[in-house]
Amino acid sequence: KQEVTQIPAALSVPEGENLVLNCSFTDSAIYNLQWFRQDPGKGLTSLLLIQSSQREQTSGRLNASLDKSSGRSTLYIAASQPGDSATYLCAVRAYSGAGSYQLTFGKGTKLSVIP
Amino acid sequence: GAGVSQSPSNKVTEKGKDVELRCDPISGHTALYWYRQRLGQGLEFLIYFQGNSAPDKSGLPSDRFSAERTGESVSTLTIQRTQQEDSAVYLCASSPPGDFYNEQFFGPGTRLTVL
Repeated sequence: KQEVTQIPAALSVPEGENLVLNCSFTDSAIYNLQWFRQDPGKGLTSLLLIQSSQREQTSGRLNASLDKSSGRSTLYIAASQPGDSATYLCAVRAYSGAGSYQLTFGKGTKLSVIP
Repeated sequence: GAGVSQSPSNKVTEKGKDVELRCDPISGHTALYWYRQRLGQGLEFLIYFQGNSAPDKSGLPSDRFSAERTGESVSTLTIQRTQQEDSAVYLCASSPPGDFYNEQFFGPGTRLTVL
């Protein structure tokens, strides 16, 4: 059974710092990996999607890398801002065993950026 | 355009009662997903609908849980004889036609509390 682990569970940084969030997964037979942002009382917002054949994806101040063989991904946030404060979720997409491909999520990293 | 909507936003019920949670996907989205997020846990996949195909029910935790979707319209998740461990945020997501690489768009969730 696929398991996704995110470290650290919580992180507090001063505004302007660069930071790295870590995600690991136990089964490398994945089709893609996604990073999401979750704000309190709101749904999830997709940040970056990396296909299994890719090594990284970039969007603005965000860069996500994927090392499928070692079961690891990182999300790099440059020049953090208070508006980046949220919970960041990592999810891998793999075969569910019942005819479709589903996401398995980590528990998330709660990020606080202090002004 | 309108995003994924869910109702009610909050539901408090007594143990043993049945509850129905509703999801309105984005118009034109053929795929619809239900997830559960218990306190301190990652999102758990429950069920997946794709058009008129048989749903993937592999994530439903017990036979007290069921879901229906008529065509490509709204979906209802029903929990019978609710238990305290059913307390969670139930999230719905939809995605456009295509393959399983497509991004999922999430609703704000329904917070269920079973007393």
